[in-house]
Amino acid sequence: NAGVTQTPKFQVLKTGQSMTLQCAQDMNHNSMYWYRQDPGMGLRLIYYSASEGTTDKGEVPNGYNVSRLNKREFSLRLESAAPSQTSVYFCASSQDLAGGWNIQYFGAGTRLSVL
Amino acid sequence: GNSVTQMEGPVTLSEEAFLTINCTYTATGYPSLFWYVQYPGEGLQLLLKATKADDKGSNKGFEATYRKETTSFHLEKGSVQVSDSAVYFCALTMGNQFYFGTGTSLTVIP
Repeated sequence: NAGVTQTPKFQVLKTGQSMTLQCAQDMNHNSMYWYRQDPGMGLRLIYYSASEGTTDKGEVPNGYNVSRLNKREFSLRLESAAPSQTSVYFCASSQDLAGGWNIQYFGAGTRLSVL
Repeated sequence: GNSVTQMEGPVTLSEEAFLTINCTYTATGYPSLFWYVQYPGEGLQLLLKATKADDKGSNKGFEATYRKETTSFHLEKGSVQVSDSAVYFCALTMGNQFYFGTGTSLTVIP
C-alpha cells in the first residue's frame, strides 16, 4: 500500500543543471499537486493537475514545468536550476479538487540542494 | 485573496498539558478547512477536516471547529503526549485554490 511515491529522496545539483522529480500515486486519484516547503513559509503550490491531461499554475510556478504523464504520474522539471530552488519538494494527490473531497495525501518529499 | 494565518511557534508543552494552536483564515467564499500534521522526515498527513460552518472535525483526541463568525479553525487537544510532537499545518481549499499556513512546531516533553 504505497500511496504517493516520490523519487529521488535527495538530490544535489549545480546551478544551471536540469532534473526531473518523479511522483506516482496508486490510489486512483484524479488530482495531483507539487509543493515546495521552505522555512517560515509553509507549503506553496507550484503546479497542480485537476485531472489527467490538465495542468495549471499555482502560486510559485516560475522556473518549473510539469507533465501529467497519465493518471498515476505527475513529474516536476527544473530546466535550469537556481540556488533559490533549494527546498523540500512534496507531491500530493487527492480524489478530486473540490472542497471536502480535497483531502491531500503526501509523498515523503525530495530534499533538493542547488549549489 | 484567500489566505491562512496560524500561530507561530515553536510551542513547548509538558505531557498532559492542554494544547491550542490558533488558525484564522481569509476567504471570499465558503472554504473547506483542514489540519495536517508532519512528523520528522515525512510528508504531511491529514489530521482532521471541516467542510462547512459549525462543523467540528476530530481525530486522535484533537478537535477543531469551523467558526465562520470569527473566521477561525483553532486546533485543540485536552492532554498532549510526547508522540504528538510534530509540525501542524492549517489549510484551506476552495475550488482550485489551496493555501497552507506556515506551520507550528510542537514539542511535548515528558
